[in-house]
Amino acid sequence: GIQVEQSPPDLILQEGANSTLRCNFSDSVNNLQWFHQNPWGQLINLFYIPSGTKQNGRLSATTVATERYSLLYISSSQTTDSGVYFCAASQDSNYQLIWGAGTKLIIKP
Amino acid sequence: DAGVIQSPRHEVTEMGQEVTLRCKPISGHNSLFWYRQTMMRGLELLIYFNNNVPIDDSGMPEDRFSAKMPNASFSTLKIQPSEPRDSAVYFCASLGLDGYTFGSGTRLTVV
Repeated sequence: GIQVEQSPPDLILQEGANSTLRCNFSDSVNNLQWFHQNPWGQLINLFYIPSGTKQNGRLSATTVATERYSLLYISSSQTTDSGVYFCAASQDSNYQLIWGAGTKLIIKP
Repeated sequence: DAGVIQSPRHEVTEMGQEVTLRCKPISGHNSLFWYRQTMMRGLELLIYFNNNVPIDDSGMPEDRFSAKMPNASFSTLKIQPSEPRDSAVYFCASLGLDGYTFGSGTRLTVV
């Protein structure tokens, strides 16, 4: 099965800074998603992005399927952006999501 | 759309008691998943339903766990009898054209 690796594992930033989170996957995928798990434990779907680029406010994501990586960009970070960001992927004919270990992001005021 | 709805949000129970967790998927989503999250093991898939039929329950830890989906808008995960090691956050998710959407989870504490 595929492997999903995320980097960096931890990131501490000052409010207002920009950040880039990376997700590498070992094989072709038909589904790739970015989730934010906030400090209250909720898992929020940020992007469904098996390929291409999407933007939603201060967040954007790009997946280059041919090179097997995806990037999540957070601009003008706010303290509410703190939490763990997960990348998860699945392959054709395989419903099971394979999860990365996550990037723990702390935004300091 | 109200998203995936789980209840209760928190459950504290004594060892040996029966626990029932509930989930309402997003209307029109044909696939439903139950996950468990712990610090030690991260997110684990317990069981997957497609069109209300259990497809893969290989993640269910043992016979004390059972899940049902009597119709397209409702699923339950039952633990009987519960044990302290079952303490975790249990998530329900449904799968649509925009990928997986997770409910807010049920935080279960078994004392």
